[in-house]
This record gives sequence, C-alpha cells and structure tokens, in this order.
Amino acid sequence: DGGITQSPKYLFRKEGQNVTLSCEQNLNHDAMYWYRQDPGQGLRLIYYSQIVNDFQKGDIAEGYSVSREKKESFPLTVTSAQKNPTAFYLCASSAGQQNTEAFFGQGTRLTVV
Amino acid sequence: GEDVEQSLFLSVREGDSSVINCTYTDSSSTYLYWYKQEPGAGLQLLTYIFSNMDMKQDQRLTVLLNKKDKHLSLRIADTQTGDSAIYFCAERYDSGYALNFGKGTSLLVTP
Repeated sequence: DGGITQSPKYLFRKEGQNVTLSCEQNLNHDAMYWYRQDPGQGLRLIYYSQIVNDFQKGDIAEGYSVSREKKESFPLTVTSAQKNPTAFYLCASSAGQQNTEAFFGQGTRLTVV
Repeated sequence: GEDVEQSLFLSVREGDSSVINCTYTDSSSTYLYWYKQEPGAGLQLLTYIFSNMDMKQDQRLTVLLNKKDKHLSLRIADTQTGDSAIYFCAERYDSGYALNFGKGTSLLVTP
C-alpha cells in the first residue's frame, strides 16, 4: 500500500527526555512536513523539507529538531527544551509542486508524564 | 504564518445543508484547500480550488471563492451523521509548499 506512516500512535515521555517520532512515506514525494495540533489551535507548522538533506523551520520550531537523510523518512525529535510537548503530531508529504495534495499520516499523540 | 480564520463550531440537522466559512490571508494564494479530520486521525483532502475559479462542485460538495474578500466557503449538501468531523481550510505559505491551516470548524450533525 502506498502511503505515509507515523509511529508510534501513542507515546509517553518523562519530562527531561528527548523522544523521536517516526514518519515514513513510500509515495516518492520530495516534500515532507511536521505539524503540531492542539485543541482550538488548529495545525501549526514545525519543520518542513522540500528535498533530501535540506529542511527549514516552520512557525514553532523551537524545542524540535529534524533530519532528512533519506527521501522516505523525516523523523522529528522533541527535545527537553520544548516546554509544552504534549500534543498530537501530524506528518505530511507532497510531491512538492505548486498544486499537489498533501497526504497526512494518522498522527502520533505524545504525552509527557 | 498569518491567521486563516474559521468559525469553531457548526451544528446542523441530518439532511440539511452545511456551510463552513473561511477567510484566508494571502491574496496571491493560487490554491485553497478543504481538509476533513475524523477523531484521532490524520487529515483527508476533500477538495481544492484554483484561484481563478469562483466555484467548484464535486458531488455533495460545493466550494465558493470570493477573491476580493479573500473568503472561501464549503457547502455540504444533504449532510449526514458521517460528515461529523473537523473541517480545515488551508492556503499555501508564501514560500515552499507547506500549507497554512485555519483552526478548524467542528461540524456536528444531529439526527
């Protein structure tokens, strides 16, 4: 099946620990994105990557880091510097042209305990 | 990004039409999108409209675009209980291909 896969679906982290969220796509898409969703806040862009080995900060990049070593993979690390990490994280990908649909994963719910 | 504005809640009766409104920010946006999110899931593209169009119809969905007012609406005809979800309006950011989303409208369809 072609698609975008996020894992795990639920993740618990202790305060002060880094944690990495996985995002893999087999759609041969150039562009990948990470969004954070909080109740009443909609989706806010954390990081995006338009091509392998390149990525840019979105609106709320502080406390997060990413890498794009392979076209298929765009992992997001939530560091201990992120003050309020509990949220629903959504990964997306698109072909990277002007009008292309962004396909979303099913999300990872991160809870800091 | 700048704010894309949507009303937060809408409640309709089954069989009625639903209209969800959105005001976007970038007059140069070439494509505007409507996504649907069911509880605990990712987003699913419903439809999109190119900025040189005023209207697009796709089965029960009708999108209206008023470029002068930067206003976008999504009409769902014959709304069903399965349409209950959060609906997001989105435009592209100025640079790159990332989408700038509104806060989402929660649609509740009652029997």
